[in-house]
Amino acid sequence: KQEVTQIPAALSVPEGENLVLNCSFTDSAIYNLQWFRQDPGKGLTSLLLIQSSQREQTSGRLNASLDKSSGRSTLYIAASQPGDSATYLCAVNYGGSQGNLIFGKGTKLSVKP
Amino acid sequence: SAVISQKPSRDICQRGTSLTIQCQVDSQVTMMFWYRQQPGQSLTLIATANQGSEATYESGFVIDKFPISRPNLTFSTLTVSNMSPEDSSIYLCSAKGSLTQDTQYFGPGTRLTVL
Repeated sequence: KQEVTQIPAALSVPEGENLVLNCSFTDSAIYNLQWFRQDPGKGLTSLLLIQSSQREQTSGRLNASLDKSSGRSTLYIAASQPGDSATYLCAVNYGGSQGNLIFGKGTKLSVKP
Repeated sequence: SAVISQKPSRDICQRGTSLTIQCQVDSQVTMMFWYRQQPGQSLTLIATANQGSEATYESGFVIDKFPISRPNLTFSTLTVSNMSPEDSSIYLCSAKGSLTQDTQYFGPGTRLTVL
């Protein structure tokens, strides 16, 4: 069964700290992997998409890496801010251009001022 | 990118009734999906909405309970039929393809409470 796991389930850090969120997947034959942010009561905001042929993607203070062989992806957030507080979701697509996403349960991040 | 809107944003419904949720994308997309997010849980795919044909449902979801329409490349509806309190969830529309390529975008969700 294709599963996505995110650890930790929750994380609290002081403002300014660099942090890493982890995502693991059971089947390494992925098409791509996407990281999302979800604020309470809101929809999902796409942060980064990594294709299976890529090792990392960067957007501003965010950097996502992909290691297919070990079935892992990490989301690195530099110089965290209180506005980064949200739930971060990792999702894997195995089905190609017409495939859907399989989601992890998310990591709830709280950045304290 | 694609901007996705959903209507209604929230609703409170009585047991046994039905609710239709609308999803509108601001550009033509190849794929449209409907997800459910139960309280405190992650997202589960309900079905893929196919343009001009019947939707493709995931295990545990059936057309009689969740009929879906997709008349064109920018619009889809999901109906939650004969509702029970267990249907209380956030329902999210998602889309990708064409201009968005592989990036999948989500609507703001419809928060449904069934009494």
